[in-house]
Amino acid sequence: EAQVTQNPRYLITVTGKKLTVTCSQNMNHEYMSWYRQDPGLGLRQIYYSMNVEVTDKGDVPEGYKVSRKEKRNFPLILESPSPNQTSLYFCASSLSGLGGPYEQYFGPGTRLTVT
Amino acid sequence: QKEVEQNSGPLSVPEGAIASLNCTYSDRGSQSFFWYRQYSGKSPELIMSIYSNGDKEDGRFTAQLNKASQYVSLLIRDSQPSDSATYLCAVNVGGTNAGKSTFGDGTTLTVKP
Repeated sequence: EAQVTQNPRYLITVTGKKLTVTCSQNMNHEYMSWYRQDPGLGLRQIYYSMNVEVTDKGDVPEGYKVSRKEKRNFPLILESPSPNQTSLYFCASSLSGLGGPYEQYFGPGTRLTVT
Repeated sequence: QKEVEQNSGPLSVPEGAIASLNCTYSDRGSQSFFWYRQYSGKSPELIMSIYSNGDKEDGRFTAQLNKASQYVSLLIRDSQPSDSATYLCAVNVGGTNAGKSTFGDGTTLTVKP
């Protein structure tokens, strides 16, 4: 089954404790992206990757890191989480062209709470 | 000004009516446009994509794009209670920012039986 998986689905952590949210897709998509969703603020792009070893900042990259060492995986790293990073996080993947990504397939989401 | 703006909701229509969702964008160079549907507690899923001016129809859904007016809309005909969800407009700028994908805040639609 074609899908984007994220782990963990739920995470409660404390300020400053490094964490990684994994994202994996099995559709051989070049493009992958991370978003956060907060009430009233829609989906905001954190980082994206057009292909392996190519990553770029989205609109809200502060406090996050990513890497793209393999085509299927795109982990999101919070090196020192803070309470303002409490949010619902979505990973997405898609095929892409000159105009950017086509239809994005979203993972199930990771609800992160930082206390 | 926000890069992508959607008409403020919530929007409520009776079953069988036409629901009209609107979206404007600020970057005149934007190249591709998408409508996603998001049920409460779920992840977004694609409804329609549109890349050129005009209308694109898929079943009960019609997307309309007017690049001159920087406007994209989604019409849902014969609305059903199962269409009740939040609808997100997404715009890709393309060019040197090809990977940048900007979403609107969403419009919540309720279809009343």
